[in-house]
Amino acid sequence: NAGVTQTPKFRILKIGQSMTLQCAQDMNHNYMYWYRQDPGMGLKLIYYSVGAGITDKGEVPNGYNVSRSTTEDFPLRLELAAPSQTSVYFCASLGTSGRFGGTDTQYFGPGTRLTVL
Amino acid sequence: GNSVTQMEGPVTLSEEAFLTINCTYTATGYPSLFWYVQYPGEGLQLLLKATKADDKGSNKGFEATYRKETTSFHLEKGSVQVSDSAVYFCALSDNYGQNFVFGPGTRLSVLP
Repeated sequence: NAGVTQTPKFRILKIGQSMTLQCAQDMNHNYMYWYRQDPGMGLKLIYYSVGAGITDKGEVPNGYNVSRSTTEDFPLRLELAAPSQTSVYFCASLGTSGRFGGTDTQYFGPGTRLTVL
Repeated sequence: GNSVTQMEGPVTLSEEAFLTINCTYTATGYPSLFWYVQYPGEGLQLLLKATKADDKGSNKGFEATYRKETTSFHLEKGSVQVSDSAVYFCALSDNYGQNFVFGPGTRLSVLP
């Protein structure tokens, strides 16, 4: 298993440009997440998905869009990039054990470091 | 809503010192609690977890006990190594195990 993979590792954008951050997992997990991590800060949830075709907003969704056409892939789209979107972006996935009580663990990708100038 | 509070860093220790990183939480219901570790330039990795009150999670010499009465999940290690230098995140998941809330992270530096 490759786990959770993200591409690219690094990217520099100019203000107003658009790009898609790719995320894929090969663990057949239902739940997938996108977080951003600003310097010296914790993680903030951007969007999440509970399965193919279903997505929902997290804490900081403005300026981003997602889609989930397959179980494996969960791309994050940035439209009209702004300097405030300079951050490290992490994708994560979560299996479901079917057991009430939240025993499952999130698996994280290595991250994409994005700079908007 | 749910929230996690961690002690502010950075924490700097000498090798073989005792480590405690405090974590307290606010949540409804019966959350699961986690400690994640992030090494420089990498994503987060699960360090340990506990799913119910009085459970103790442990891994690589680290331990944390789920204390419902004090809503705490403090991370401890008896003797830290230079290789433990990283950022440590306390986190919780809700009753359904789907929505995670992370603390701000505590940076640990261990000096030889």
